[in-house]
Amino acid sequence: LAKTTQPVSMDSYEGQEVNITCSHNNIATNDYITWYQQFPSQGPRFIIQGYKTKVTNEVASLFIPADRKSSTLSLPRVSLSDTAVYYCLVGDGNQGGKLIFGQGTELSVKP
Amino acid sequence: DGGITQSPKYLFRKEGQNVTLSCEQNLNHDAMYWYRQDPGQGLRLIYYSQIVNDFQKGDIAEGYSVSREKKESFPLTVTSAQKNPTAFYLCASRRQSNTGELFFGEGSRLTVL
Repeated sequence: LAKTTQPVSMDSYEGQEVNITCSHNNIATNDYITWYQQFPSQGPRFIIQGYKTKVTNEVASLFIPADRKSSTLSLPRVSLSDTAVYYCLVGDGNQGGKLIFGQGTELSVKP
Repeated sequence: DGGITQSPKYLFRKEGQNVTLSCEQNLNHDAMYWYRQDPGQGLRLIYYSQIVNDFQKGDIAEGYSVSREKKESFPLTVTSAQKNPTAFYLCASRRQSNTGELFFGEGSRLTVL
């Protein structure tokens, strides 16, 4: 069963770069890694997805080492509005389609 | 616009009553999911369905039931057997592939009085 482990919480200041790492030792060969952001009382929303190496979009970058046992979400120059919970998600390669979220990382951005 | 609609947004229930939460999507997605979220906690998978007329239990299925009679609909019933039903319930859907992102509804907050 693909299980993810993330830091429970992180603090940062506006304008800093934030890196959140997720470990997923049992990731299956065909699983992608996806990161979501959640604000209170809302559904999570997609941030970025990758399979290996580096992926970048307009809001974040995702770094995945060759062994794919971990991934790092990088948020450049965070602002107060980036205060949220961040989840990494990998598929359950044994049961195809079963998507288990980890406990998430609560990021607090301070002025 | 395409998306996922959950209703009701807020629901109050007396102990011993069953309640059904609605989830409808017009994204033509094959897979649909129900998650439960308790205050300050992550999302826990209740049930999921990859195709019409088929569904599988997640990690916390006890006290819940679902149906998938239509592709666009995946209602969740919280039965009286669920001991602690007060929570935030989230429905999601995605294309049936390992790359499909999950699209979430706005959630339904259930409170047992």
